[in-house]
Amino acid sequence: KQEVTQIPAALSVPEGENLVLNCSFTDSAIYNLQWFRQDPGKGLTSLLLIQSSQREQTSGRLNASLDKSSGRSTLYIAASQPGDSATYLCAPLYNQGGKLIFGQGTELSVKP
Amino acid sequence: EAQVTQNPRYLITVTGKKLTVTCSQNMNHEYMSWYRQDPGLGLRQIYYSMNVEVTDKGDVPEGYKVSRKEKRNFPLILESPSPNQTSLYFCASSLGGAGNTIYFGEGSWLTVV
Repeated sequence: KQEVTQIPAALSVPEGENLVLNCSFTDSAIYNLQWFRQDPGKGLTSLLLIQSSQREQTSGRLNASLDKSSGRSTLYIAASQPGDSATYLCAPLYNQGGKLIFGQGTELSVKP
Repeated sequence: EAQVTQNPRYLITVTGKKLTVTCSQNMNHEYMSWYRQDPGLGLRQIYYSMNVEVTDKGDVPEGYKVSRKEKRNFPLILESPSPNQTSLYFCASSLGGAGNTIYFGEGSWLTVV
């Protein structure tokens, strides 16, 4: 069964800290893995996409890594800001039809 | 602006009254899909479509129907809604392939009483 686990479930940090969110998936036959951000009551915004042949992707203060063979991905957020407060979801893609399997997410709170 | 648009955004309806949630994308995407999001269960795929007239079941298709008559539209139909279909629904679209981002709509809050 394809499952995705995200650790921790919730995280509260002071502004300015660097932090790491973890994602693990049971089935490594993925096309890619996306990290999304979801604000309360809102839709999902794609942050980073890592193809299965890639090891990492960077966008601004965000860096995502992928170790497909071990079924792990991490999202690194540098110099966190209160505006980063949201739920972060990782989702590997398992078929061309857009079948994403989502983790439960990490709820991040960055305190000023 | 690239968009996935869902309507209605909020709806309260009664058990058994047929309803349709529309989804439209303006990016000429081949692939479209529907998800529902429930507390403790996360997001789960309901149906997906790889092209016009091509649809297939996701993980939780029971109680739902879809159609893909045009490339840009992918409506979700609840023929006889029940309270266990109360949820937050998301439509998504993509060009497909490993290198292309999946875009999500803003979500539709559905309550069935």
